[in-house]
Parts: sequence; C-alpha cells; structure tokens
Amino acid sequence: AQSVTQPDARVTVSEGASLQLRCKYSYSGTPYLFWYVQYPRQGLQLLLKYYSGDPVVQGVNGFEAEFSKSNSSFHLRKASVHWSDSAVYFCVLRRAGNYKYVFGAGTRLKVIA
Amino acid sequence: NAGVIQTPRHKVTGKGQEATLWCEPISGHSAVFWYRQTIVQGLEFLTYFRNQAPIDDSGMPKERFSAQMPNQSHSTLKIQSTQPQDSAVYLCASSSFDERLFFGHGTKLSVL
Repeated sequence: AQSVTQPDARVTVSEGASLQLRCKYSYSGTPYLFWYVQYPRQGLQLLLKYYSGDPVVQGVNGFEAEFSKSNSSFHLRKASVHWSDSAVYFCVLRRAGNYKYVFGAGTRLKVIA
Repeated sequence: NAGVIQTPRHKVTGKGQEATLWCEPISGHSAVFWYRQTIVQGLEFLTYFRNQAPIDDSGMPKERFSAQMPNQSHSTLKIQSTQPQDSAVYLCASSSFDERLFFGHGTKLSVL
C-alpha cells in the first residue's frame, strides 16, 4: 500500500526567508506526485504536479518541488516566502492506473514578519 | 467557470438525524471524488465516481454512508443516523482528462 509522510506538522519562517517542506512517500512503482495548498477559508488548490521527466517541477507563486526516486521524496521549496504563503500544504500521491489520491497529513506554514 | 460547488456550506444536525450533502462538479469533468477532513485523521478518501459510475468506495463507512451520482451535474453524499464522530468537513473534488483535482470549499457538518 502507498503512503505519504509529511514529517513537519508545523513550520514557521520569517518573511523573505527560504522554505523547504518535506514529503516522503512509500510506493514501489512510479508515483504521480502533487502539492496542494489550503489557504484559510478556501478550497484546496494545486501548486504543482510531477508525472515524469525533469525531477524539478515549477509551480505557481514561485514554488518548485524536486522528485527523488532514490530518496522517495518530493520536497517543496520556495526561495523567498511572503506572509500570504501562510497556509496548510499537502503532499499527495497517486499511482498510475488508480485514481485514489493519498494525502499526507499536511504541514501548516506560518510566515512571520 | 464557477468551480466545484458544494452545498450547504454548513450543516448542523442532531444525533440520529440524516444529512445529505450536495456537490456540483465542474462541467465536463468526468471524475468526482468525496473526501472527509478532520484535524485528527486529516484528509480521508471516501469514494470516487468516473462517468457517473461508482468506481471505488473503499473509504466509505459501510453502514450509514452512501453516495450517488445520478447525472453528470451533481453527486450526493448521504449520512444516515448521524453520530458526533461524523462531524467533519466533507470535500468534493472533480477532475478532467489531465487528472488534476479541483476542490470545492467543503461542507462543514456538525453533529450535536
């Protein structure tokens, strides 16, 4: 069975600092990987997705993520965070041929001045 | 494009009452998903329809939960004899051919 682990439940960073949110997955095949964000009082929105090819994928609002098959990871990064990035971020896995998306527990990001 | 529409936004029921939650997927999307979100359990998959047919309901509690998709424009999640542990935010999502999920704002169910 596949699973997604986000080891950091909460992360606090200063505005303008760089950010990395960690994601580890467990799946023996080739995964489809996503990062979704949930802003306060809003629905979940897609930040970026990885299906294959270049392991570094670019997303919206300056976010990027890097896939590592050897480490079973899909970490999310941003060079300089803004206060508006405060939200809950979910790492999501889906396997080819199966439409069940497996969500990590989420990481709540707080950006402080 | 109004996005995925879920109604009501909030629903309060008494223990033992029935609750019906509605979802209108984005027009043209072939797949509809239901999830439940709680602080303790996080996001849990409930069920999934593709072209209106139920494909996977492995996440649905068997006894009191049911989901239907009678036409392309809406899906319903029905909870019979609601219990306090059913309190959660129920999220509906739909997807298109590229399999990106679009979520609604959710229905917050509170069972007193």
